[in-house]
Amino acid sequence: AQKVTQAQTEISVVEKEDVTLDCVYETRDTTYYLFWYKQPPSGELVFLIRRNSFDEQNEISGRYSWNFQKSTSSFNFTITASQVVDSAVYFCALSEARGGQAGTALIFGKGTTLSVSS
Amino acid sequence: DTAVSQTPKYLVTQMGNDKSIKCEQNLGHDTMYWYKQDSKKFLKIMFSYNNKELIINETVPNRFSPKSPDKAHLNLHINSLELGDSAVYFCASSHTSGRLPGANVLTFGAGSRLTVL
Repeated sequence: AQKVTQAQTEISVVEKEDVTLDCVYETRDTTYYLFWYKQPPSGELVFLIRRNSFDEQNEISGRYSWNFQKSTSSFNFTITASQVVDSAVYFCALSEARGGQAGTALIFGKGTTLSVSS
Repeated sequence: DTAVSQTPKYLVTQMGNDKSIKCEQNLGHDTMYWYKQDSKKFLKIMFSYNNKELIINETVPNRFSPKSPDKAHLNLHINSLELGDSAVYFCASSHTSGRLPGANVLTFGAGSRLTVL
């Protein structure tokens, strides 16, 4: 069975601090996708990144970076120099990759609420 | 143009009533989903349709019935509403072809907040 664990329920930081959100996943599939979504206080779900299980390269996008390690089944997300606008609930998610077959819904972790104060 | 649109955004109703939430996507995606987000923010898949065919049907009470008249629409009908049905319901859509750049990336609607009194 697939499972995503985000052990950190809430994190509070002060602006300009770096913060890492942890994500650990379980799957029996050899091919899968990992995702991060952001849910700001306004409530919409915003896609941040998708990572294929074959690609363990870390990725950086501005102040955001992701560290994917298959050996520890982790896909952690770091925000550098956090800002108040980063305050949101962040979800890690997992889906199977069935090579074009349907039926690959995302399984979400329970989310980490990040609060950034000024 | 809104990519995935849901209506209504807010719905307040009495226990025992029947209500529907509509969803439409203009992204040309072949798969649509309904997720439920509870008061603790936990997101759980309810249903998934691929080209109007039901693909995923999680353990959901049969009071919930999805309907997909075409691959751009997925509606959710709920009969005999209960207090525990209060939640935010998100519609989403995606490509499922694994080799497309955006495959399996779900685009979500803004959510429909259902309150059952």
